[in-house]
Amino acid sequence: GESVGLHLPTLSVQEGDNSIINCAYSNSASDYFIWYKQESGKGPQFIIDIRSNMDKRQGQRVTVLLNKTVKHLSLQIAATQPGDSAVYFCAELPRGDDKIIFGKGTRLHILP
Amino acid sequence: EAQVTQNPRYLITVTGKKLTVTCSQNMNHEYMSWYRQDPGLGLRQIYYSMNVEVTDKGDVPEGYKVSRKEKRNFPLILESPSPNQTSLYFCASSLSRGLSSYEQYFGPGTRLTVT
Repeated sequence: GESVGLHLPTLSVQEGDNSIINCAYSNSASDYFIWYKQESGKGPQFIIDIRSNMDKRQGQRVTVLLNKTVKHLSLQIAATQPGDSAVYFCAELPRGDDKIIFGKGTRLHILP
Repeated sequence: EAQVTQNPRYLITVTGKKLTVTCSQNMNHEYMSWYRQDPGLGLRQIYYSMNVEVTDKGDVPEGYKVSRKEKRNFPLILESPSPNQTSLYFCASSLSRGLSSYEQYFGPGTRLTVT
């Protein structure tokens, strides 16, 4: 809910511009990565995933980029809309593990 | 409609009074999980279940119990709640843990306050 986002970094983007949300993951053994979107008062919602054998994956208006060299993941949202306003989490799944590790999240704020 | 449901959505209780938060999914998913979400700490996994009668501890299992007697239900039990268990709880399910599918569907959340 609402209080979850109080301590998060915030990215403010003009409506219609592209958004880039970054995430540094922790485990070099992670082989599966996911981006989630969490709107105020709701549970996280799956957006897109990528496996470690890929560098880039595209969905509808979203693109995930993976740089394994520096353990960096990014989510690009094209033509940002008011409905994109939410907290975005990256998550990683280490190879051979069953437990997903979630990042702290970034709040995306859309400017009119 | 495919969904994960949780009940109750909001609960205020007192220290030591046993409570259960129910979770149910209608997607025939094998994998279910409970998380708590706290400001500044993100989502932390409490327990998860790979299938019926199979449960494992997550990162913060202390003070919680779960059971998986049937595929669709995965209740979270707090035998003796304490104020540090005040949090926002999410149940989630996915088809499997395997490489073919790990898309998790989350419930709407249960906001628990323990006084």
